[in-house]
Amino acid sequence: GENVEQHPSTLSVQEGDSAVIKCTYSDSASNYFPWYKQELGKRPQLIIDIRSNVGEKKDQRIAVTLNKTAKHFSLHITETQPEDSAVYFCAAIWAGGTSYGKLTFGQGTILTVHP
Amino acid sequence: GAVVSQHPSRVICKSGTSVKIECRSLDFQATTMFWYRQFPKKSLMLMATSNEGSKATYEQGVEKDKFLINHASLTLSTLTVTSAHPEDSSFYICSAASSEQWDIQYFGAGTRLSVL
Repeated sequence: GENVEQHPSTLSVQEGDSAVIKCTYSDSASNYFPWYKQELGKRPQLIIDIRSNVGEKKDQRIAVTLNKTAKHFSLHITETQPEDSAVYFCAAIWAGGTSYGKLTFGQGTILTVHP
Repeated sequence: GAVVSQHPSRVICKSGTSVKIECRSLDFQATTMFWYRQFPKKSLMLMATSNEGSKATYEQGVEKDKFLINHASLTLSTLTVTSAHPEDSSFYICSAASSEQWDIQYFGAGTRLSVL
């Protein structure tokens, strides 16, 4: 099955700085990589995603890059704001096996943006 | 965007009782629904995958008789924690995906289960 590793586990930045979270995956068959933001006690919310036929995707202050050869993908948040503080999870869809569409999550990164 | 409703949001029960959690897709037909468990400050761990009209597929280490999953319609899946014990206390989250866009999952708001 798929294995997703996420780093760092915690990230503290000053408001206005950039934040980068990195993930690696093991299964080359994975072809969809979403990023979720989860506030304490709330549901994970999809903030951006990328498919394996694209190397980079941007949505305002958020961008994701994907390196299929190295099997890693990263989340970039620019001009961070205190409301960006949350736990961020990367994930990969393992398109093989018996469970089509099964998500494997990274361990999560606690992002704290200091005013 | 697609909306997934999960109820109850919080439940407190006595040890030995059973608890049912509902997950509904409100504006789309969910061919597949997923159930996750999340411990404090930890990632989401997939418990099982359910497809409408068929038996759920459980992940390794998840007790089928303990966590009963039913996906009787394209808009409803239920998770029943049978004979709950304090170690079952956790945050349970469901998600749903449609056949048209199978790889995008929409999450419910989660259920905080506390077993006394």
